Amino acid sequence: AQSVTQPDIHITVSEGASLELRCNYSYGATPYLFWYVQSPGQGLQLLLKYFSGDTLVQGIKGFEAEFKRSQSSFNLRKPSVHWSDAAEYFCAVGYNDMRFGAGTRLTVKP
Amino acid sequence: KAGVTQTPRYLIKTRGQQVTLSCSPISGHRSVSWYQQTPGQGLQFLFEYFSETQRNKGNFPGRFSGRQFSNSRSEMNVSTLELGDSALYLCASSTFSGLANEQFFGPGTRLTVL
Repeated sequence: AQSVTQPDIHITVSEGASLELRCNYSYGATPYLFWYVQSPGQGLQLLLKYFSGDTLVQGIKGFEAEFKRSQSSFNLRKPSVHWSDAAEYFCAVGYNDMRFGAGTRLTVKP
Repeated sequence: KAGVTQTPRYLIKTRGQQVTLSCSPISGHRSVSWYQQTPGQGLQFLFEYFSETQRNKGNFPGRFSGRQFSNSRSEMNVSTLELGDSALYLCASSTFSGLANEQFFGPGTRLTVL
C-alpha cells in the first residue's frame, strides 16, 4: 500500500545543534517529494521539493533534504537549528494526489 | 500579493447541521485544493478544483462537497455534521493543477462540532 512514514513524532534539539528529520515512503515509482513546515495557528509553508535530478535539494530557511532511492527516504536536515525553527514538519508525497506523513514536532531548547 | 485567505477562521456547529467554508486563492491561481487536518488522521486530501471543475477527490463521504467559481474562489460544504468532522480545514492554491505546481496554504478554518 502507498504510504508516507515519519518515524519520529517529537524531536527536541538544542539551539545551534544539527537536525535531521526522517521520512520514508512506499510507492511503486518515485513520486514527487515535499517537506512542509507548520507553525502554530498557521497553514503549511513549503520548505523544499524533489521531482528529479540532483538528489540533494536546497530549500528555504537553510534546510536541505536528500533523496535516497535505495532507502525510499527523503530526510530533512539543517546544520544549525534556530529557536524560530520550532514547529511541526510534514513530509508529503505526490503521486495521484498529495499524501502527508503524520508530522514531526520539533522543540528547540535554548 | 495577498496570500490565500479562508473564512471564517473559527466555526462552532452542532451535529446534524451543515457548514460552508470559503477560500480565496492567490490572485492568478486557478487551482484550489482542500485538506482536512485532525490529530488522529493527520492531513488528508479532500478534493481539488481547477477552472471550476473537480479534478481529483480524496476518500471522503459524499457529505463533503465543494465548488469553484469563475473567479477561482472555492467553497467547501459539509452536510449533516458529525463530531468527527471537527478539524482544521486547509485550503491551498496553485497556478495550475498538478502536483508539480507549488501549493500555497491558507491559515485554515477551525471547525468544532458539538
